Amino acid sequence: DGGITQSPKYLFRKEGQNVTLSCEQNLNHDAMYWYRQDPGQGLRLIYYSQIVNDFQKGDIAEGYSVSREKKESFPLTVTSAQKNPTAFYLCASSSKGGDTQYFGPGTRLTVL
Amino acid sequence: AQSVTQLGSHVSVSEGALVLLRCNYSSSVPPYLFWYVQYPNQGLQLLLKYTSAATLVKGINGFEAEFKKSETSFHLTKPSAHMSDAAEYFCAVSESNFGNEKLTFGTGTRLTIIP
Repeated sequence: DGGITQSPKYLFRKEGQNVTLSCEQNLNHDAMYWYRQDPGQGLRLIYYSQIVNDFQKGDIAEGYSVSREKKESFPLTVTSAQKNPTAFYLCASSSKGGDTQYFGPGTRLTVL
Repeated sequence: AQSVTQLGSHVSVSEGALVLLRCNYSSSVPPYLFWYVQYPNQGLQLLLKYTSAATLVKGINGFEAEFKKSETSFHLTKPSAHMSDAAEYFCAVSESNFGNEKLTFGTGTRLTIIP
C-alpha cells in the first residue's frame, strides 16, 4: 500500500532536548511538507521541500530544522530553541505539478 | 496573500439533519480550494477539492461543496448527517499559480452529531 508513515505516534521528551520526527512516503512524490497543529489554530506550515537537497522555510520555521537527502524521507528536528514544542505534527506530500497534499497520521510530541 | 475563515469553531446537528460548514476565502489569484476531515489523533483526509472545473464539487462520504466566486465562499454540505461524520473539518486554499505549495488552512470546525 502506498502512503505516508510518521513515527512514532506519541513522543515524550524532556525540555532542552532535541528530538527528530520521522516522515517517510512511498508515493514517489517530489514535494514534502511539515505542519504543526495546535488546538484552535488550524495547521501552520513549518518547512517544505520540492526536491531532494532543497527546502524552504514556512511560516513558523524558528526552532526547527529539516533535511531532504532522499526523495522518500523528510525528517523534522525540533530543537531546544523552539519555545513551545508540545503539539501535533503532521507530514504531507504531493506530486510535482499536482494540486493536492496527502497527509500522514501525525506524531504527538509532548515536552515535559 | 491568501486566507481562509471558517465561521463557527463548533457545530452541532442532529443525526439525519443537514450539515452546513462555512468557509470563506481570500485570494489574489484564482484559488484552489479544499476540504479535509480529521478524526481524533489522526492525519487529515481529503474530502473534496475545487480546481477551477465544475463549481459544484462532490466528495467522499456524501459531502459536497459549491464554489461561489461572487461570495468568495466554499461551504461544505451533506443532506443527512450520520454519527460517523463527527470529526474536525478544515477548509484550505492555495493559489493556483503556485500549484499546491502554498496551502493555507482555516482554524477548523468541530462537528458534533446529536443522536
